[in-house]
Formats: sequence, C-alpha cells, structure tokens
Amino acid sequence: NAGVTQTPKFRVLKTGQSMTLLCAQDMNHEYMYWYRQDPGMGLRLIHYSVGEGTTAKGEVPDGYNVSRLKKQNFLLGLESAAPSQTSVYFCASSYSTVYTDYSGNTIYFGEGSWLTVV
Amino acid sequence: AQKVTQAQTEISVVEKEDVTLDCVYETRDTTYYLFWYKQPPSGELVFLIRRNSFDEQNEISGRYSWNFQKSTSSFNFTITASQVVDSAVYFCALSGTKAAGNKLTFGGGTRVLVKP
Repeated sequence: NAGVTQTPKFRVLKTGQSMTLLCAQDMNHEYMYWYRQDPGMGLRLIHYSVGEGTTAKGEVPDGYNVSRLKKQNFLLGLESAAPSQTSVYFCASSYSTVYTDYSGNTIYFGEGSWLTVV
Repeated sequence: AQKVTQAQTEISVVEKEDVTLDCVYETRDTTYYLFWYKQPPSGELVFLIRRNSFDEQNEISGRYSWNFQKSTSSFNFTITASQVVDSAVYFCALSGTKAAGNKLTFGGGTRVLVKP
C-alpha cells in the first residue's frame, strides 16, 4: 500500500531557485494538504485542496503556490526559494464524508520532504 | 480561530515510568475532533487516536490511554510503563469543519525521551 507518497525526499536549493514538490495519494481522497514543520512550532498548514481543480490558502501560504490538476496529485511550488523556507514539508490527504458537516476524518501523512535553502 | 497548546516541550523519563502529555485546545465550534499523532526519529507521522467532541469516555489501547475533558478543553495522553521505543515527538491536533476543509491545527509537540 503506497498511501501518500512525496517526491523528492531531500533537496538543497540555492536562494532564488524554484522547485516543485509532488504529492501523490492512491486512496481516492478528496482532500489534500501541504504542511511545513519547523522546530518547536508543530505543523503549519500552507495550502490545501478540497477537490480536483480547487485550492485554498492555509496559515502560512506566502511564497508558495499549489495546483491540483488531478485528484490524486497535489503539487507545491516554490517560485523563488528563500532560506526561511528551509523546513520539512509534509503532504497529507483525507476523504470527505458526504452526510455530516464535521467529518473529522483521519488525515494520512506522507513521509516528509527535507528542503534546505542556502 | 482554533488553537492547540502543548505546554511541555520535552519530557525525559526512565524506562517503565509513566508519562503524561498535556494538550489544551481552543475552538468556537460545538462539534470537533481531536487527534494524537506520533513522530518517531525516522520522521513519519503516525496516527494514534481520534476522538469526537461528543464522546468524553476515556480510552485505553494497550499502554496508551487518553483522558478527554471537555470542561477544561483538555485531551491528555498517558503512556504507561514507557519503553525506549516510545521515544518520539507527540502532537495533539484539532480538526476544523468539513466546510473549512477538515484542516488540522497542531500543537507545538512534546518530545518524549525514554532512557533505558
């Protein structure tokens, strides 16, 4: 079972370079998320998507863009990387319950992508 | 806005001791879900438990137990007879509404170090 897969797992970028993190899930989940994890701050939501073709801003969206062209994929882009974007990035997904307002569905995480911007 | 506070940043215990991790949350929603995740040194996030706001029963799963008290907005986690393999960072999280994308708000995490 693949679950949620992130690529690449490690990357070193120079300031100003661009890159894209790819997240793929094989669970047919509607919702997908990108979080970043910094020491002592837990995980903070960057962007999320509630379905194919939709995206929305999370808590810390500045400097990032996302796209969800296919239901199974959620891409996170850094157009001009900055040292402040050095972090561990986690992709996650969950399904949506149709009949209740509060789905509270378990969110499944990928293994993380370690990004260093020098 | 939702908020999750884990006041303990790091706890160090000797193997076989019990350890309790505190989690306090804030939300204006009347219905919500609470989660605990474990992050071992390898870095992945492992789901431990989900609890909805209507169910205040304590839960026990092996050496793990959870105490949910809505009156104090707390969802504490206890590891009984800790083992070295329990060494990890533990995160408490609160979910938002479906309309808000079922997003999770995380606490800052508590690092547990179990010494042999």
